[in-house]
Amino acid sequence: QQQVRQSPQSLTVWEGETAILNCSYEDSTFDYFPWYWQFPRESPALLIAIRPVSNKKEDGRFTIFFNKREKKLSLHITDSQPGDSATYFCAARGNTGKLIFGLGTTLQVQP
Amino acid sequence: ETAVFQTPNYHVTQVGNEVSFNCKQTLGHDTMYWYKQDSKKLLKIMFSYNNKQLIVNETVPRRFSPQSSDKAHLNLRIKSVEPEDSAVYLCASSPDWGTAETLYFGSGTRLTVL
Repeated sequence: QQQVRQSPQSLTVWEGETAILNCSYEDSTFDYFPWYWQFPRESPALLIAIRPVSNKKEDGRFTIFFNKREKKLSLHITDSQPGDSATYFCAARGNTGKLIFGLGTTLQVQP
Repeated sequence: ETAVFQTPNYHVTQVGNEVSFNCKQTLGHDTMYWYKQDSKKLLKIMFSYNNKQLIVNETVPRRFSPQSSDKAHLNLRIKSVEPEDSAVYLCASSPDWGTAETLYFGSGTRLTVL
């Protein structure tokens, strides 16, 4: 049973558009939600993260919107660039301390 | 700049063989992890050590065994590999277990079992 779900599985946008990646979770005790990105043939790396006390976290072109009541969050990438093409993983940390990853969304930004 | 080092980068072996992967981190972190990333890119934690102590041991086959000599090193041994073990094995570290907020991943070891 997947505790962290992501959609869509893959997404293609044109350069300059806003990409929206969705994530939902099951466990209301999750207390930390990082997004990792992974470029082809590279390892995942932390991109941006949010805690449930906030409903928005912004870092340049990347913004997380968080809805605690619905247990949903989304990553918005504005003015998408071809260099943003990667797989994006939503993750959640539970009270066991473990980070649980979703299956990822593969983003392709077409020039 | 790489601070979590894994060797080897690739390993091809046959069913039934034993393999060992090494991981070292130079970040001074207390906690290290092994994750398995399969062909569908699913990232799943296998083991976690905090200051040489095993604190997470997910349901993995017994042929997998982690080994930690000190908090900077965490190796993974697989006895008698199976085809389904083909995957990328990612080592990671974080400052400590209680605040595992940022994982720093190594470059991975890609295992192919023929």
